[in-house]
Amino acid sequence: QKEVEQNSGPLSVPEGAIASLNCTYSDRGSQSFFWYRQYSGKSPELIMFIYSNGDKEDGRFTAQLNKASQYVSLLIRDSQPSDSATYLCAVPLGGGGFKTIFGAGTRLFVKA
Amino acid sequence: DVKVTQSSRYLVKRTGEKVFLECVQDMDHENMFWYRQDPGLGLRLIYFSYDVKMKEKGDIPEGYSVSREKKERFSLILESASTNQTSMYLCASSLAGGPASGNTIYFGEGSWLTVV
Repeated sequence: QKEVEQNSGPLSVPEGAIASLNCTYSDRGSQSFFWYRQYSGKSPELIMFIYSNGDKEDGRFTAQLNKASQYVSLLIRDSQPSDSATYLCAVPLGGGGFKTIFGAGTRLFVKA
Repeated sequence: DVKVTQSSRYLVKRTGEKVFLECVQDMDHENMFWYRQDPGLGLRLIYFSYDVKMKEKGDIPEGYSVSREKKERFSLILESASTNQTSMYLCASSLAGGPASGNTIYFGEGSWLTVV
C-alpha cells in the first residue's frame, strides 16, 4: 500500500513567520511531487511542483525534495493570514501510471 | 484560464436513488479523474479515464461507475446511492502523460453529495 504521510496539524504560526510543512512518501519509484493548497470549502489548487532533489523557489514558497530520505517539504516565508488553508502533498506513483496518492493534508493557520 | 466545471455543487439524494455527477473541462485534456474527499482520509481516486470510452478503476471503485462519451465530459454514476457515499466529489483533468510526467491535475469546484 503506497502511502503519503502529513502531519494533520493544525500548524499555527504568527504573521510574517516561516511555515514549514512536511510530507513523507513510501513509493521509491515516484519522481514528481506536488503541493496543493485547499481553502475551506474549495477545491485544491496547485502551489508547487518539484522533481529534482534540492530546493525550488517560487515567490514566498520553497519546495524541498530529498528522494533518498523520501520526504518533500514546503516552506512559506513571510506567512500571511491569506495563507491559512490546508496544504496537500501529492505524489504520483512511479511506473508512469495515472494514480496520484494525496496526503490527508496539513491545516495551516496564520495568526494576524 | 483552465476550467473544470461540475454541474451540481450541492445535492441531497435518498438511499437507493441513482445519482449522476457531471463534469466538463475546456482544456482539451486527455485524462480525467473522479476523486472523493472525506475528512482525515484525503483525496481517494474512484475512477480515471485516459481517452474517450476508456476507463480504469482507482482505489475505491465499488458502488460507482463512469462514462466518457466525449473528450471533454466525464460522468460519475452512483447506481444505488448509500449513506456511506455522502462526501465531496472532485472531478479533475490533466494532460496526456498524467501527473507522473509532471502534468498538473486541475480540479473542479466539487460536488457535495448528501445521501439520506
